[in-house]
Amino acid sequence: DSGVTQTPKHLITATGQRVTLRCSPRSGDLSVYWYQQSLDQGLQFLIQYYNGEERAKGNILERFSAQQFPDLHSELNLSSLELGDSALYFCASSGGGARETQYFGPGTRLLVL
Amino acid sequence: GENVEQHPSTLSVQEGDSAVIKCTYSDSASNYFPWYKQELGKRPQLIIDIRSNVGEKKDQRIAVTLNKTAKHFSLHITETQPEDSAVYFCAARARYGKLTFGQGTILTVHP
Repeated sequence: DSGVTQTPKHLITATGQRVTLRCSPRSGDLSVYWYQQSLDQGLQFLIQYYNGEERAKGNILERFSAQQFPDLHSELNLSSLELGDSALYFCASSGGGARETQYFGPGTRLLVL
Repeated sequence: GENVEQHPSTLSVQEGDSAVIKCTYSDSASNYFPWYKQELGKRPQLIIDIRSNVGEKKDQRIAVTLNKTAKHFSLHITETQPEDSAVYFCAARARYGKLTFGQGTILTVHP
């Protein structure tokens, strides 16, 4: 157990819908990262937050957005869902700065029908 | 931005043999290189990492080597066991930057 929690574990929804994925980082970690993993692709970095502020952005679609709250948990919002958004979504956390090791949560498996 | 190439994409070995996975990176500012193991449907788990001020690091049957000049690093697993079968990802990160992952290597260890 990495100490990073994600909910829900599984999510099945329809095209055009909107979903919210939630992540709680390890105790004391300030940075949260979101990754998307599709069957035919590796781990694609989406976005990073550090202590409530956006730190880095990867290949995140405009239909996707994220935020980190004062208690450091983070949410990833996916809207206008398409079939191709079906994937495993991982959250990772790290201490930030020099404490850079990222620990991954168990992931949310999203299926868009 | 950073680009990480990982080879081979699949690797099949007999139990007890060694396995080597190689990665190259493009950004000379990268200074942190973790390796993750991911079993089917599970989360990536850190197995070993190395920083740019070190050339080699070992943890039991796992070792990582880094060649900063050539910008490549490798994972070595000795005395492989069936439970080592998984997908292995390398990654590189510049100071305080995001991790860029390689494409992954599917390792199969045959009993």
